[in-house]
Amino acid sequence: AQKVTQAQTEISVVEKEDVTLDCVYETRDTTYYLFWYKQPPSGELVFLIRRNSFDEQNEISGRYSWNFQKSTSSFNFTITASQVVDSAVYFCALSELNSGYSTLTFGKGTMLLVSP
Amino acid sequence: NAGVTQTPKFRVLKTGQSMTLLCAQDMNHEYMYWYRQDPGMGLRLIHYSVGEGTTAKGEVPDGYNVSRLKKQNFLLGLESAAPSQTSVYFCASSYSSIAKNIQYFGAGTRLSVL
Repeated sequence: AQKVTQAQTEISVVEKEDVTLDCVYETRDTTYYLFWYKQPPSGELVFLIRRNSFDEQNEISGRYSWNFQKSTSSFNFTITASQVVDSAVYFCALSELNSGYSTLTFGKGTMLLVSP
Repeated sequence: NAGVTQTPKFRVLKTGQSMTLLCAQDMNHEYMYWYRQDPGMGLRLIHYSVGEGTTAKGEVPDGYNVSRLKKQNFLLGLESAAPSQTSVYFCASSYSSIAKNIQYFGAGTRLSVL
């Protein structure tokens, strides 16, 4: 069975602080994909990044960066110089093959509150 | 550029009533999904479809039925609503089922069952 753990339920920071959201996963698959989604207060889920199990290079996109470490089964997400607009719930997800078709298993999410 | 559209956005039901949630996508995606989101639980898969005319059970299928009569539409039905089905429901679609494909989500339907 696959599992995604986001141990941080809620994080509060002050604007301009850096913040890291943790994601730990469990899987028996050798090939898998990991995702991060953002859910702002408006409610929709927005895709942020996808990473496959064979690519352990860190990725940076503006103020966002992701650290994938297969050895520790972690896929952590860092926001540098946080802004109020970063306030949202962030979900980590793992793709899973289920009867030949892939489905996503989500973590429970981390609520990030950025105050001015 | 609609993407995934869910109707209605909000609904209040009484216990025992029935209703259907509609999901429509205009991206010609083969695969569609229904999730529910509950506080502290993340998103859990209810049912999914790998193509027109097909459906399959997800993690929490009990109390729900689905149909995929047209490729672009995926309907979620509650035959006899229960308070435990109070939740936010999300529909998603993806180009195919292989593991790397991104799922695109609708804006959600907030359902309250009294």
